[in-house]
Amino acid sequence: EAGVAQSPRYKIIEKRQSVAFWCNPISGHATLYWYQQILGQGPKLLIQFQNNGVVDDSQLPKDRFSAERLKGVDSTLKIQPAKLEDSAVYLCASSFGGTTDYEQYFGPGTRLTVT
Amino acid sequence: AQSVTQPDIHITVSEGASLELRCNYSYGATPYLFWYVQSPGQGLQLLLKYFSGDTLVQGIKGFEAEFKRSQSSFNLRKPSVHWSDAAEYFCAVARYSSASKIIFGSGTRLSIRP
Repeated sequence: EAGVAQSPRYKIIEKRQSVAFWCNPISGHATLYWYQQILGQGPKLLIQFQNNGVVDDSQLPKDRFSAERLKGVDSTLKIQPAKLEDSAVYLCASSFGGTTDYEQYFGPGTRLTVT
Repeated sequence: AQSVTQPDIHITVSEGASLELRCNYSYGATPYLFWYVQSPGQGLQLLLKYFSGDTLVQGIKGFEAEFKRSQSSFNLRKPSVHWSDAAEYFCAVARYSSASKIIFGSGTRLSIRP
């Protein structure tokens, strides 16, 4: 079974530029998550989708971050404009979904450097 | 709100030696507890999880963890480490009512001495 795919793997941009990340979850997984992992810290949830609806985006900086999951499959996370403090690894994860599903499968992440 | 503390930022052990990584959680009720491993350039992989029942949980790659409610701890152990175990280890907690929302600790980096 193919895992969670993410692209690009690395991205370097200047502050105030925009950037987008793409995630393709495991086939059949209804729940999709985006996490931000700053160096030296654990992942922090940015947004959670159930199919194509948002379940939790309470920690998403909505003035600059946006995410969508059209058709309940792939997802994109966008930052516009980027700030230096956005430098981090952005992880996508998916799970089968449902009230008793806990196991999240993670992609390799996109390492963003903002200069 | 729930939280997770991993007091050790970096641990070095010799290959073949035993390992224990510490994790303390803060949560008013019975939590769901997890250990994940992250190798360089890789995503996180679930090692084991605890929801209820036997407090000693077996995971993949020879790891185990013990839930101790009285100490609010969920320490990860392995009797004999291999060089391939060098990685970052994250303890995590989720609420019973919302098991899909996981809070991660800050991680412990494990180095293996040849």
